[in-house]
Amino acid sequence: DARVTQTPRDKVTEMGQEVTMRCQPILGHNTVFWYRQTMMQGLELLAYFRNRAPLDDSGMPKDRFSAEMPDATLATLKIQPSEPRDSAVYFCASSWGSIETQYFGPGTRLLVL
Amino acid sequence: GENVEQHPSTLSVQEGDSAVIKCTYSDSASNYFPWYKQELGKRPQLIIDIRSNVGEKKDQRIAVTLNKTAKHFSLHITETQPEDSAVYFCAGATRGNDMRFGAGTRLTVKP
Repeated sequence: DARVTQTPRDKVTEMGQEVTMRCQPILGHNTVFWYRQTMMQGLELLAYFRNRAPLDDSGMPKDRFSAEMPDATLATLKIQPSEPRDSAVYFCASSWGSIETQYFGPGTRLLVL
Repeated sequence: GENVEQHPSTLSVQEGDSAVIKCTYSDSASNYFPWYKQELGKRPQLIIDIRSNVGEKKDQRIAVTLNKTAKHFSLHITETQPEDSAVYFCAGATRGNDMRFGAGTRLTVKP
């Protein structure tokens, strides 16, 4: 049963520190998404990639957030410097194409103090 | 781009009753509409989806209907059970573009 994996599952850090979240998409999926979920905002799309190329990162605060896919098996989301308002659950999801089922990872729960 | 609106934001029903969640979309080219269920502390998971060439789809107690003319689609859950309590998200997507999610509906099924 193939699944999207994410690390770390939980992260507590202090304001100003760098945070790196990692995602391993399902093997063979060519589209990877990053979402942020807070109680108030629901599922907010931050960025997504197709065949490792960034297609849309308009939902991401550019000054502090960056997303990359170094290879087909790894996607990263970095926050530098982190701020308390970044506290949320960050989900990665993968799919085969844009109109197919997205499979979500377990999420990274981030708390910035 | 696509914009998906979802109503209601919260829904409370008695066990055994039906629940209906409605979504509207803005992009007439959208042709894929999935529904996800997210239990507390868990990841969203697909429960049913519909494509624009189909008007209705059923899977046991869950059904989804699509009205392309009005650009809205709905999730119907019959004979609700306490384990149906969760947040439900609708979404819409067009080939070549990203999928947009609704804001979610928190469904509570009271025993």
